[in-house]
Amino acid sequence: DTEVTQTPKHLVMGMTNKKSLKCEQHMGHRAMYWYKQKAKKPPELMFVYSYEKLSINESVPSRFSPECPNSSLLNLHLHALQPEDSALYLCASSQRGSYTFGSGTRLTVV
Amino acid sequence: GESVGLHLPTLSVQEGDNSIINCAYSNSASDYFIWYKQESGKGPQFIIDIRSNMDKRQGQRVTVLLNKTVKHLSLQIAATQPGDSAVYFCAENRRRTGFQKLVFGTGTRLLVSP
Repeated sequence: DTEVTQTPKHLVMGMTNKKSLKCEQHMGHRAMYWYKQKAKKPPELMFVYSYEKLSINESVPSRFSPECPNSSLLNLHLHALQPEDSALYLCASSQRGSYTFGSGTRLTVV
Repeated sequence: GESVGLHLPTLSVQEGDNSIINCAYSNSASDYFIWYKQESGKGPQFIIDIRSNMDKRQGQRVTVLLNKTVKHLSLQIAATQPGDSAVYFCAENRRRTGFQKLVFGTGTRLLVSP
């Protein structure tokens, strides 16, 4: 298995909702990442997990809460989001400089 | 056709032409660079990479050139095809103790007409 799988592919949520994005990989990669991508912009790093520990938080608002339950799974918990948080959320994993990206979750906050 | 990446975000070429997409990076300590292709609604797809101890690397129809003196990368696509239409990003790998992160450039949209 050489893929990063993200679910759901699309998500519409209200500003008072709580939802979670999920990411899974079975390549044995020990680093996992969340990126946010707005339309016509490059992906921007949000969080880095290395060996299941949070290594980087790029000053992301607390309404985004990452979680790494084990070496294969990465979650992003969402609460009280704003319409400007609507974007494509990409998960990636890496090992020895080789990165693999998922297809993303298209999030719309209404 | 050729773009300067940051200043010309769209490159339009005819099928069969060679395309050159340029990218400037900022961190002289970056040791590894990757070109990604991203189609609409999909995640970035690896095209080719190059380490900082190399100047040139070739793949199938693609070549990456690295000029560390001016911190510049280019992606050359030979005999461009309509299926090459996408947004292309360069990315630099930045290492820190215990982890690494990928930082993306602005991106260039490549439009290939038949």
